[in-house]
Amino acid sequence: QKEVEQNSGPLSVPEGAIASLNCTYSDRGSQSFFWYRQYSGKSPELIMSIYSNGDKEDGRFTAQLNKASQYVSLLIRDSQPSDSATYLCAVKTLARGKLIFGQGTELSVKP
Amino acid sequence: DAGVIQSPRHEVTEMGQEVTLRCKPISGHNSLFWYRQTMMRGLELLIYFNNNVPIDDSGMPEDRFSAKMPNASFSTLKIQPSEPRDSAVYFCASSLGTAGNQPQHFGDGTRLSIL
Repeated sequence: QKEVEQNSGPLSVPEGAIASLNCTYSDRGSQSFFWYRQYSGKSPELIMSIYSNGDKEDGRFTAQLNKASQYVSLLIRDSQPSDSATYLCAVKTLARGKLIFGQGTELSVKP
Repeated sequence: DAGVIQSPRHEVTEMGQEVTLRCKPISGHNSLFWYRQTMMRGLELLIYFNNNVPIDDSGMPEDRFSAKMPNASFSTLKIQPSEPRDSAVYFCASSLGTAGNQPQHFGDGTRLSIL
């Protein structure tokens, strides 16, 4: 079992729809969770971080964390073609100072 | 503010040659990370430093890979001798410590091709 798992996609949604990206993790000691966006040929760019159970909203993005179920998700409202990218989920535990990345989910927003 | 700076952006070399990748972290950041990204294996952590000291090098694939951080503003990743399977994009990232809420910021990467 991989430490951090994501559906590889591609996930295709129409413009204006809600895109839902999911991530599960295996280490119950995980304490910090990050979503990075990576455009093709570019480097990962941090878009959201979440540390407590519940929802965290930032503009069109909402991160959701459920530690009991060991999953974290990212919702993108009013999806735009410019949101088309690969989204990487990353998890950090206090015991290890490093991020563990999932394989990423490719999102395609169709005009 | 300047982000993480990597050089070169692209490197093409022949098998057996020595390759040196360079990274300048964000000023004030004391943690530095080297990653490798391929289609097959995704983003893998190779090694990370805290206050210039290597903390975890468990991701370094083999002895052909070595990394140094001689000071707070410079790090190198060296491959000697290089092999075609080392072809990948290598990213450097830095953060303000390794505490849970400190995100990592990535450089633009070095696209390495070994012929």
